Amino acid sequence: NAGVTQTPKFRILKIGQSMTLQCAQDMNHNYMYWYRQDPGMGLKLIYYSVGAGITDKGEVPNGYNVSRSTTEDFPLRLELAAPSQTSVYFCASSPGQGWEDYGYTFGSGTRLTVV
Amino acid sequence: QKEVEQDPGPLSVPEGAIVSLNCTYSNSAFQYFMWYRQYSRKGPELLMYTYSSGNKEDGRFTAQVDKSSKYISLFIRDSQPSDSATYLCAMSGDSNYQLIWGAGTKLIIKP
Repeated sequence: NAGVTQTPKFRILKIGQSMTLQCAQDMNHNYMYWYRQDPGMGLKLIYYSVGAGITDKGEVPNGYNVSRSTTEDFPLRLELAAPSQTSVYFCASSPGQGWEDYGYTFGSGTRLTVV
Repeated sequence: QKEVEQDPGPLSVPEGAIVSLNCTYSNSAFQYFMWYRQYSRKGPELLMYTYSSGNKEDGRFTAQVDKSSKYISLFIRDSQPSDSATYLCAMSGDSNYQLIWGAGTKLIIKP
């Protein structure tokens, strides 16, 4: 069981470039999330999905876009990269059924630098 | 005011000490409380989960919730250098599966 797999692990982008951060889970989880983590700021929710074909904005969605065509995959698209998007990005998933299954499973993160 | 407040630390203690990590929150609707541990350059991993008030124990770890004071704690007994990590609290109400996160406390256990 791989859990949540994120690629790439590291990336340097120039201002104005675009890229897609990949996220895949093999646990058949309904719910998936994208977070960014900045030093001392905790986790900020960018977008989330409650199932294939359903996505919604989180706390900090500007400059990002997502899609969820399958249960397994939840890519995050950055358009026109800006220095403010320099951060560590985490994808997570959860079963979304029953309060006892509340734990999130996180990927290992993508470190993005925009220069 | 943030919904969840957590002292960022760092908190440095000697090996074998009892560690107390805390979060306060403002939303009385929160019922589900979690502690995640995050090692450097890794994703967070679920450590403890509690529902409503009370205590929960798992090995050297005890999670405590005081809803009347809107205060949660994580205690680590016989702390080990391998416990050195950032500890994030997270919580949620009853309406969805989204978590509200604390900023995390960096813990350093000195051998």
